[in-house]
Amino acid sequence: KAGVTQTPRYLIKTRGQQVTLSCSPISGHRSVSWYQQTPGQGLQFLFEYFSETQRNKGNFPGRFSGRQFSNSRSEMNVSTLELGDSALYLCASSPGTGMNTGELFFGEGSRLTVL
Amino acid sequence: AQSVTQLDSHVSVSEGTPVLLRCNYSSSYSPSLFWYVQHPNKGLQLLLKYTSAATLVKGINGFEAEFKKSETSFHLTKPSAHMSDAAEYFCVVSGETGRRALTFGSGTRLQVQP
Repeated sequence: KAGVTQTPRYLIKTRGQQVTLSCSPISGHRSVSWYQQTPGQGLQFLFEYFSETQRNKGNFPGRFSGRQFSNSRSEMNVSTLELGDSALYLCASSPGTGMNTGELFFGEGSRLTVL
Repeated sequence: AQSVTQLDSHVSVSEGTPVLLRCNYSSSYSPSLFWYVQHPNKGLQLLLKYTSAATLVKGINGFEAEFKKSETSFHLTKPSAHMSDAAEYFCVVSGETGRRALTFGSGTRLQVQP
């Protein structure tokens, strides 16, 4: 069974640009959640989607948004990039509502560098 | 509100010696607790979970953790460290009733010396 796939793995953007990251969950998993990982702030929850609906949202500004498609694939978008958005963005999937069970299957992440 | 504190940011052990990674939590409700491991340039992998069943939880790769409510702790242990255990470990607490966010600890980097 294929794992969680995130694309792109690495990308470099400049301040003010926007970026879209993609996540394909494990087949059959309906929940996708996103996390930002930085050396200073650690792992922070961004949002969770289940059956195309946002179920939970972390404490991030409106520049961070996401969506989920009918095939459970998810995208997150960051607009008007700031230097502080440089981070590893991790996607995780789970069969049910992952935030309830805590059993998440993570992708390898998309490393974003903002110059 | 819930929180989790990993008491050591770095732990260094010799191969073959025991591993102890410490985690304390705070929650207004009976929590579910997890340990995840992250190897360099990889995503996180679930090691083990506690969900109010047995207080001693066994996980993958020989790791186990004990839930101690009186001490609000969920320390991770392994009897004998292996070089491949070198990674970052995260203690995680689940959401309280009606709230579903997971809270991650700040992580403990485990070094294993030959």
